[in-house]
Amino acid sequence: DQQVKQNSPSLSVQEGRISILNCDYTNSMFDYFLWYKKYPAEGPTFLISISSIKDKNEDGRFTVFLNKSAKHLSLHIVPSQPGDSAVYFCAASAIRVAGANSKLTFGKGITLSVRP
Amino acid sequence: KAGVTQTPRYLIKTRGQQVTLSCSPISGHRSVSWYQQTPGQGLQFLFEYFSETQRNKGNFPGRFSGRQFSNSRSEMNVSTLELGDSALYLCASSLAVGVGGSNEQFFGPGTRLTVL
Repeated sequence: DQQVKQNSPSLSVQEGRISILNCDYTNSMFDYFLWYKKYPAEGPTFLISISSIKDKNEDGRFTVFLNKSAKHLSLHIVPSQPGDSAVYFCAASAIRVAGANSKLTFGKGITLSVRP
Repeated sequence: KAGVTQTPRYLIKTRGQQVTLSCSPISGHRSVSWYQQTPGQGLQFLFEYFSETQRNKGNFPGRFSGRQFSNSRSEMNVSTLELGDSALYLCASSLAVGVGGSNEQFFGPGTRLTVL
């Protein structure tokens, strides 16, 4: 049972435009969400996170939106750059659950291609 | 500040052998988590260590084990290797501020294990 789902395996966007990467989750206990970016042959790099007490968090070109009622979050990259081309993973955790707060549950990733 | 380091970066073993992978967390980080990444299953949580104790465990067989030393360095061991154990093994460290705290995890480059 996949608790974090990234249903679109890939996304292609023109440079300068907005990239919107979506993620859905099923576990109601999840209350902290993270986005990671991964290049081939490297480990995932932390991008941005959001707590369930917020519905938006912004860091430079990256903004994450959380819709708790829909159990949906999205990562917006504006403007998109060719260097953003990578695999993006959504991850979730239950930080208020002792014994589970350290575990990240990942989606399967979305491959973003930004065309020059 | 140096990042998470993992050794070795690449490893080739044969079925039935055992393997030990090593991880050094970011200085000051006391929590070390291990993940397995495969093309079919994505990133899956193996276990997490904090203060030399396993605090959380994923759904992997007992052939997968780990430990943490007093300097927070961690090792994971896989015994009786199977073909399906071929994967990228990622280590992540975090400050582990406790239940309710944010838990951004920072990943190392991974160890690519190939089982023949």
